Amino acid sequence: KQEVTQIPAALSVPEGENLVLNCSFTDSAIYNLQWFRQDPGKGLTSLLLIQSSQREQTSGRLNASLDKSSGRSTLYIAASQPGDSATYLCAVAANQAGTALIFGKGTTLSVSS
Amino acid sequence: GAVVSQHPSRVICKSGTSVKIECRSLDFQATTMFWYRQFPKQSLMLMATSNEGSKATYEQGVEKDKFLINHASLTLSTLTVTSAHPEDSSFYICSAPPAAGRYNEQFFGPGTRLTVL
Repeated sequence: KQEVTQIPAALSVPEGENLVLNCSFTDSAIYNLQWFRQDPGKGLTSLLLIQSSQREQTSGRLNASLDKSSGRSTLYIAASQPGDSATYLCAVAANQAGTALIFGKGTTLSVSS
Repeated sequence: GAVVSQHPSRVICKSGTSVKIECRSLDFQATTMFWYRQFPKQSLMLMATSNEGSKATYEQGVEKDKFLINHASLTLSTLTVTSAHPEDSSFYICSAPPAAGRYNEQFFGPGTRLTVL
């Protein structure tokens, strides 16, 4: 059974710092991996999607990498801002299209000004 | 990108009542939709898979008679929480994958906060 783990569970940094969020999964047979942002009491905002054949994806200050063989992904946030404060969720799709996602518990990020 | 809506965004009800939550894909057809539940400070857990024109499939531990799912059209799935109790209070969120060829990116609705008194 696929399990997704995110470390750390919480992170506090001062504004301007670069930071890395970690995600690991137990079954490397994934279709893709997606990073989401969730603000308190809100739904999910998709940040980056990495297909199983890809190594990384970039969007603005965000960069996500995927090492499928080792079951790991990282989300790199450059020059963090207070507006980045949120919970970041990592989720994997099983090895075919149209399947549900399996989520980690998330990393709650707090960026202080 | 594809848009998924949910209604209502927030509902408060008395114990024993039933609550219906709607999930709509606004600009694409979805033969499959997924329903997730998120308890406070927990991650999203898949409850069931909604299939257009057929019965939903439920995850282990989810009572199909309590959480009724209807996927009557290619753009609408409904989740009805029957005889709701305080322990059903949670954040319910649906998602839908667009058609193949769009890398199977999941699009999520904004969620419904259910509070059962």
